[in-house]
Amino acid sequence: AQSVTQLDSQVPVFEEAPVELRCNYSSSVSVYLFWYVQYPNQGLQLLLKYLSGSTLVESINGFEAEFNKSQTSFHLRKPSVHISDTAEYFCAVKDAGTASKLTFGTGTRLQVTL
Amino acid sequence: NAGVMQNPRHLVRRRGQEARLRCSPMKGHSHVYWYRQLPEEGLKFMVYLQKENIIDESGMPKERFSAEFPKEGPSILRIQQVVRGDSAAYFCASSPPSQSNTEAFFGQGTRLTVV
Repeated sequence: AQSVTQLDSQVPVFEEAPVELRCNYSSSVSVYLFWYVQYPNQGLQLLLKYLSGSTLVESINGFEAEFNKSQTSFHLRKPSVHISDTAEYFCAVKDAGTASKLTFGTGTRLQVTL
Repeated sequence: NAGVMQNPRHLVRRRGQEARLRCSPMKGHSHVYWYRQLPEEGLKFMVYLQKENIIDESGMPKERFSAEFPKEGPSILRIQQVVRGDSAAYFCASSPPSQSNTEAFFGQGTRLTVV
């Protein structure tokens, strides 16, 4: 069985400050890792994903995440946040190489203020 | 190319009624997944379907819940005799017919309120 842990349920941060949202996972098989973002009353949008290759992956809006196999982590970072980044962020994992479900963490609410 | 379409967006049902949630996957996608999001919680997997087949229903409650994805038409998640605890946001995701399915695309969700 797989599991995903997002230890921080809420992260308040001032605009233009850096932020890190933590994600740890557990799995007995190789996995793909994902970060999704959910704005209020919306569905989930894929932010970035790790499948293979370079352990550092980036999104088009300045977020990045690094896959650390030894620490089973996939933390999400952004060097300077904007008010518009306020949203719920979900880390997710699935079996690599198969058509299978996503297992989600409980989410981290990022609240950016002036 | 329209995304994953779910309807209705909001659904109110009285206790004991039936709820039918519809999901039309993206064009060319033959894999559909249903997830449930309870307030202040993450998404929990319910069921994974391909056309006319249920592949994984390990997350489906044993009673009152059923899902189908017919050869023609949308996928349907059906909840019979709804109770207040069924109130949640139900999300559908779809992915193309590839072995690895590296990405799932989500709909906007159906928010079910049981009164």
